Amino acid sequence: EDKVVQSPLSLVVHEGDTVTLNCSYEVTNFRSLLWYKQEKKAPTFLFMLTSSGIEKKSGRLSSILDKKELFSILNITATQTGDSAIYLCAERDFGNEKLTFGTGTRLTIIP
Amino acid sequence: GAVVSQHPSWVICKSGTSVKIECRSLDFQATTMFWYRQFPKQSLMLMATSNEGSKATYEQGVEKDKFLINHASLTLSTLTVTSAHPEDSSFYICSARQGQLYEQYFGPGTRLTVT
Repeated sequence: EDKVVQSPLSLVVHEGDTVTLNCSYEVTNFRSLLWYKQEKKAPTFLFMLTSSGIEKKSGRLSSILDKKELFSILNITATQTGDSAIYLCAERDFGNEKLTFGTGTRLTIIP
Repeated sequence: GAVVSQHPSWVICKSGTSVKIECRSLDFQATTMFWYRQFPKQSLMLMATSNEGSKATYEQGVEKDKFLINHASLTLSTLTVTSAHPEDSSFYICSARQGQLYEQYFGPGTRLTVT
């Protein structure tokens, strides 16, 4: 059974800090790793990672995948209160294309 | 582009009744739609995958007779929770995908409360 584990489960930091969120996976038919941000409603897409070692960047957020060690990290620099959310990573299978989500990391930014 | 809507956004129903949730892709044709359930402080769990015009594929442990899924057109899928019980209270989220090369786009979710 495919498994995606995120750490930490929750994180509280002050505005301006940099955070690193972790995602490890054990899957049989890996296609890609996706990161989402969820604020009270449905997740919004952040990144999709398919190749190892290539950093994806969007503003203060960046992410990278290590397919050898089976993990990904999501970095957020100069955090703002609007970054407070649950961050989900998900693995996407080949073939059936279904997403298996991790448990999520609840990030709280204190002003 | 790539907007997915759900209706209703929240619903309260009595135990034993059935409730239908709609998922629509507003500006694209969704060949595949996915239904997820999320309990408080837990992650999204895939319930079923539905392809337009064919029967849904349910994940292990999800009762197909209780959670009826219909994907009759390329822009609409429905999830009917039959004979709802309080333990079915959850946040139900759908996602839609235009094709295998495309991303899944999530709807805003439906919060179901069964009293």
